[in-house]
This record gives sequence, structure tokens and C-alpha cells, in this order.
Amino acid sequence: AQTVTQSQPEMSVQEAETVTLSCTYDTSESDYYLFWYKQPPSRQMILVIRQEAYKQQNATENRFSVNFQKAAKSFSLKISDSQLGDAAMYFCAYRSARDGNQFYFGTGTSLTVIP
Amino acid sequence: KAGVTQTPRYLIKTRGQQVTLSCSPISGHRSVSWYQQTPGQGLQFLFEYFSETQRNKGNFPGRFSGRQFSNSRSEMNVSTLELGDSALYLCASSNWPYKGQPNTEAFFGQGTRLTVV
Repeated sequence: AQTVTQSQPEMSVQEAETVTLSCTYDTSESDYYLFWYKQPPSRQMILVIRQEAYKQQNATENRFSVNFQKAAKSFSLKISDSQLGDAAMYFCAYRSARDGNQFYFGTGTSLTVIP
Repeated sequence: KAGVTQTPRYLIKTRGQQVTLSCSPISGHRSVSWYQQTPGQGLQFLFEYFSETQRNKGNFPGRFSGRQFSNSRSEMNVSTLELGDSALYLCASSNWPYKGQPNTEAFFGQGTRLTVV
């Protein structure tokens, strides 16, 4: 079974600074997708960024970017110019290319943004 | 386009009772999956439905069941509630099997907070 590991239960960052959240995963599959979801106190899970495993280029969405290392099975999220609204729980997630709508989630990293 | 709607938002039930939670996916989405979120176990996959059929099931006891209707709305049921069933239950919809858009994400509802006393 696939497993996703987030080794940082809590992180903090000063406003306007950069922070990196770590994620590793374990799979025997070659075709899959990786995601970072954000869950603010409102509980709504919101997609931050996604990465296709077959793409070598790292995904970028505005202030959010990933460092995808397929061989190392590592998928870290970098948040640049951190804003107060970035404070939330962040979940790394894995989805197999053949598993439909089934996601495997890490345990989450709680991000605090310090004004 | 309306998002994923879960009802009710909050529930308080007594041990031994049963409960039914509802999820209406985004219009046009036919795949619905359910997750249980607890502080200790994180997000755990319960089951997935597509076209009224269960495609996948997570490692939960038979007290947890679900179904999907022809309009893609889904319900999950928990019978003989236990204290440990207290959790946030999240529903996610997607347009799997994607048809040319293989990397689409799942869209989540705001969840139902179930408290068992």
C-alpha cells in the first residue's frame, strides 16, 4: 500500500519569508500524481498545487512551488513571501493513476505565519 | 458552479445509534469518495463510488457503509456508533475517469463533524 509521510507536525514562518514543508511517499507504481492540499480552520480542503509523476519539471503556482524528486520519492512544498492567509494545515497527498478518486494523505503540517 | 455540499455540518449522536451523512458532488462529477479525519489517525479513506457502484473500500468495519444514487449524490451510514467514530467526515468529488484530463484533483466539501457521546 502507498504511504505518505510528513515529518514536520508544526512549522512557523515570519510573514514575507519563505518556508518549505517536507513530504516523502512510498509506492511501487510509476504513474501517479502528487498534491498539496491546504485546510484552514474552516475545514475546507483546498488544492494548492499538483504534480504529475511523469513530468520532470517542478510545478509552480504563484508563490507556491514544489521540489519533486522522483527517485528519492520526495515532494516538498515551498511557500514564498508567506502571508497571514497561508496559515493552515497542509496535507501532502498521493493518487495512483489507476485508482480513481482514492487519495492517500500524510498526517499534515500545521503552518503558523508570524506577523 | 456549486461546490461539494455536505449535510449536516454538525451532528451529535449517542453510542449505539446510527447516522447517515449526505454528500452532493459538483454537477457533472460521478465519482465520490469519503474520508474520516481524526487527530490521531489523520485522513483515512473510507470508500469510493462511481456510477452507483462501490469501486474501492478502505479498512473500516462493516458498520461503515455507503451508497450512491443515480444523480451521483452519495450517503454514508454508520451503525452502532462508538465513541471512536467521532470525527470529521469529508466527501470529495472528481470527474474521474477524467477523459483527457488525467491530473484533475478532488474537490472537497466542508465536512460533517460527528460527535458521539
